[in-house]
Amino acid sequence: ETGVTQTPRHLVMGMTNKKSLKCEQHLGHNAMYWYKQSAKKPLELMFVYSLEERVENNSVPSRFSPECPNSSHLFLHLHTLQPEDSALYLCASSQDYLGNTGELFFGEGSRLTVL
Amino acid sequence: DQQVKQNSPSLSVQEGRISILNCDYTNSMFDYFLWYKKYPAEGPTFLISISSIKDKNEDGRFTVFLNKSAKHLSLHIVPSQPGDSAVYFCAASSSTSGTYKYIFGTGTRLKVLA
Repeated sequence: ETGVTQTPRHLVMGMTNKKSLKCEQHLGHNAMYWYKQSAKKPLELMFVYSLEERVENNSVPSRFSPECPNSSHLFLHLHTLQPEDSALYLCASSQDYLGNTGELFFGEGSRLTVL
Repeated sequence: DQQVKQNSPSLSVQEGRISILNCDYTNSMFDYFLWYKKYPAEGPTFLISISSIKDKNEDGRFTVFLNKSAKHLSLHIVPSQPGDSAVYFCAASSSTSGTYKYIFGTGTRLKVLA
């Protein structure tokens, strides 16, 4: 596999469920990101990991819990979500976190629906 | 307050004609800009970028123009093709942040009519 892959592609969960989103990058990058895309809103940065260390947490509620066990894998653990958390969750990676030019490589996203 | 704005949620263009997608920003510290394209059920893919030291960057059918005084950039697609139908996001960052902290717009859905 190449690029950034996300599983599952679609997830439906109740408000009391616990589920996880998984992201894997095959690019040898050092930084990984979680973004949230809600309808008619900009892509919102949630978390950034650089060399497996969390370097950014954009005031995300604690019901979202990221985990980065190694530089190739990133998880987003979900617990007691709200219906307004329904969105497309995008994982991305970049060669490094420091340096403001260059591109982010995105996965295909995980479409989450919270009932 | 949105720092990067794409005020046109959608745009329809005839095949072969020019598509012009616009993006405005408010933060004068932004000095690097990118355009991403997103097809349904796929993640955004990088299209073209421009640094603030330039006012134009061209890559095949795609050209990005930057007007720093107006805090405005635009993406021109010439000629437009049906395969260009997608959502286009602009994104901006500041070298003072020193990180890949891109601020994205809400996107413009382009439909190229055959």
